[in-house]
Amino acid sequence: AQTVTQSQPEMSVQEAETVTLSCTYDTSESNYYLFWYKQPPSRQMILVIRQEAYKQQNATENRFSVNFQKAAKSFSLKISDSQLGDTAMYFCAFRAGNNRKLIWGLGTSLAVNP
Amino acid sequence: DAGITQSPRHKVTETGTPVTLRCHQTENHRYMYWYRQDPGHGLRLIHYSYGVKDTDKGEVSDGYSVSRSKTEDFLLTLESATSSQTSVYFCAISGSAPPHYEQYFGPGTRLTVT
Repeated sequence: AQTVTQSQPEMSVQEAETVTLSCTYDTSESNYYLFWYKQPPSRQMILVIRQEAYKQQNATENRFSVNFQKAAKSFSLKISDSQLGDTAMYFCAFRAGNNRKLIWGLGTSLAVNP
Repeated sequence: DAGITQSPRHKVTETGTPVTLRCHQTENHRYMYWYRQDPGHGLRLIHYSYGVKDTDKGEVSDGYSVSRSKTEDFLLTLESATSSQTSVYFCAISGSAPPHYEQYFGPGTRLTVT
């Protein structure tokens, strides 16, 4: 069975600094997709970034980038120049091939301090 | 933002009463999902739909039923609400192919069963 593990329940970072959130997954599939979602205090779930397993290049969206290590089954999220608005719960999610269901980690609560 | 609305946004109900939550989308996406979110458990899939009148169970489907008579609407019914069903409920949608295969979420419904 596929699993997603986020080993850091809580993290904090100073404004303008860089922080990395960890995510590992377990699967025997070769074709899959990985996602990071953000859930601010407003409760809205927002897609931050996606990575296709067949792509070797790490995905980047503005200040958000991933370090995708396929052999290690690791998918970490790096937030550069952290802003107060980045304070949120961050969830890592996995989808195998044509399976329409996502497997979710339990989340990392990130606090950005002024 | 994906066009997804949920109604009601907040509801308080008594144990034993039936409750129906509605999810409405304007994106014409094929797949729709119902999740519940509870502290310490992350997001858990209740039911999902892969087309009109086509639904399947998720990991926590007991006590819940769903219906989808139109592409745009996906209803979640708690047949006889219990206090353990107090939660935040999210609807999500996804399309059939890239770039629409990731899930996009509605704003959530906070349900309290007293």
